[in-house]
This record gives sequence, structure tokens and C-alpha cells, in this order.
Amino acid sequence: GNSVTQMEGPVTLSEEAFLTINCTYTATGYPSLFWYVQYPGEGLQLLLKATKADDKGSNKGFEATYRKETTSFHLEKGSVQVSDSAVYFCALVTPSNQFYFGTGTSLTVIP
Amino acid sequence: EAQVTQNPRYLITVTGKKLTVTCSQNMNHEYMSWYRQDPGLGLRQIYYSMNVEVTDKGDVPEGYKVSRKEKRNFPLILESPSPNQTSLYFCASSFQSGTGHSPLHFGNGTRLTVT
Repeated sequence: GNSVTQMEGPVTLSEEAFLTINCTYTATGYPSLFWYVQYPGEGLQLLLKATKADDKGSNKGFEATYRKETTSFHLEKGSVQVSDSAVYFCALVTPSNQFYFGTGTSLTVIP
Repeated sequence: EAQVTQNPRYLITVTGKKLTVTCSQNMNHEYMSWYRQDPGLGLRQIYYSMNVEVTDKGDVPEGYKVSRKEKRNFPLILESPSPNQTSLYFCASSFQSGTGHSPLHFGNGTRLTVT
């Protein structure tokens, strides 16, 4: 079946620290991969996406590379800010239009 | 402003009393879907719709119904709510093309409590 597994949180980092949130997936066919971010009291917003193997998605200093050989899509940022504090979700959509989300990783950045 | 609007934001009801959560989008998206968000489980897809009059079950459809009579609206119906349907619900929409999905646009959520 299809599924997304992401690292458990919560994650607490100091400002300007390096961030990695691991995400691996299981899927039939060739899914598209996404990272979404959720701020308190809001819906999810797209952070970045990749639609095929070796694509790199990037936005606001965040990056993730679609690695088909390791079925991974890890999220990274070189220097986090307090404003990056949120919950991050890894997700995939299958060719049959079903979306699957990870359980979410809560990030808190302290000054 | 492009948006997905869900109503109500908060709803408290009792077991067995039918309810509807509305969802409307103003972006002319073909694809619409419903999710529930539960602690430790992330978001799980309940139903999705590829276009008017076309709906399909997601991962957790039991106890829910949907309809898609118009392109912009995709209501979620709980005919006989039970306490295990207490959750945070999100509606989302996207364009769909031959090359795949555009990213989902989410509403702000509906927090449902069933007592």
C-alpha cells in the first residue's frame, strides 16, 4: 500500500541551527511528493514540491530532493528562524489521485 | 482572493444528530477532497472528487458521505455522527491536469466534537 513515514517530533532548535526532517514513502507507481507547513489555527500551506525522481523542490530556504533509490524526500534548511516554528507534513499523491500524509513533525525554534 | 472556505469553524453535536460541513472554493478547481487530522495519525483522506458528480472513497470513508453537484461546493455529511468522529476536518482543492496535480489549497479547518 501507499504510506508516508516522517520523523517523530517535537523538534526544538536554536535560531540559525541546521534543520533536517526525514521523510520516506511507500507508493505504487510514480507519486509526486510535497512538504506542507501548518501554523497554529490554520490549514496546511504548500512549502515545496517535486514531481519526479531527482527533482529538488525549494522555497523560503527550505529544500528537499526526490530520491527514488532511497524512497526519501527529506526536508532541510541551513539556518532556521523563530518564524519557522510550525508543524511540517510530508505528503504524496499517487497517479490515481489519492493523497497520503505523514503524521507531522512539530518544530519549535528558540531565539 | 483565492480561497477554500469551510463552515462552521467549530461544531459541537450529539451522537446520531445528522450534520453537514460545507466547503466552497473560488478557484475553479476540478479536484476537491476532505481530510481528518488526529493526533499521532496526521491527515487521512476521507473522500475526494475529480469533478462534478464524480466522487471516490479515500482511506477512511466509513461514516461519511459527500456530494459534488456543483464544481465549487463539496459538502461533508455525517448522517449519524459518533464520538470517534471527533476530529479536526480539512477541505482542500487543486487543479488537475494531464501532467498531475497542482498543490492542494486547504481551508482553515472545522473542529468537530461529538458527545
